[in-house]
Amino acid sequence: KAGVTQTPRYLIKTRGQQVTLSCSPISGHRSVSWYQQTPGQGLQFLFEYFSETQRNKGNFPGRFSGRQFSNSRSEMNVSTLELGDSALYLCASSPRTERTGELFFGEGSRLTVL
Amino acid sequence: EDQVTQSPEALRLQEGESSSLNCSYTVSGLRGLFWYRQDPGKGPEFLFTLYSAGEEKEKERLKATLTKKESFLHITAPKPEDSATYLCAVQARDSSYKLIFGSGTRLLVRP
Repeated sequence: KAGVTQTPRYLIKTRGQQVTLSCSPISGHRSVSWYQQTPGQGLQFLFEYFSETQRNKGNFPGRFSGRQFSNSRSEMNVSTLELGDSALYLCASSPRTERTGELFFGEGSRLTVL
Repeated sequence: EDQVTQSPEALRLQEGESSSLNCSYTVSGLRGLFWYRQDPGKGPEFLFTLYSAGEEKEKERLKATLTKKESFLHITAPKPEDSATYLCAVQARDSSYKLIFGSGTRLLVRP
């Protein structure tokens, strides 16, 4: 079956702009999580959505937001971009059963902020 | 504060040379410990889940073990295709389902 799809794969923005990233989870998966990966901080949890509701949020400023649609597709938005937002943004889905740590990751959206 | 520390940061092995990767963790109640593999330019790929001390899981040349403070990923007779970054993550037994990742071990297996 199809995996987690993230678009766009690569994008370049300038400071102060905003960006929207999209994620289509595996069919049937209702939980979508977002992680930021940087060389210095590694993988850090951004937020999790389940049934269109944000269930958890990581320690990121309010400039980072997201949403989930009724078909489980998710988007995340970063406003007023800063240089430090340059990172690989990974989306992961899971069926949200008892094995919730078993996440299926997409290939990520690599954001460069100039 | 929940924390995961992986060592070594990088490891070079000759093909066939067995070794172990370490993952030390501090968590307020462990729901599960997870191992992932990440290839360059790809997202992490799930390998194992361990839930309680003493548990072991195996897959091909990989074997994961768990104690109350750390986990080991043993690689037996590795091949060049095992080269990747191996990530360890924990999930706390709280209302959050987030994973707390370590910084990973970059493994290079030379032929």
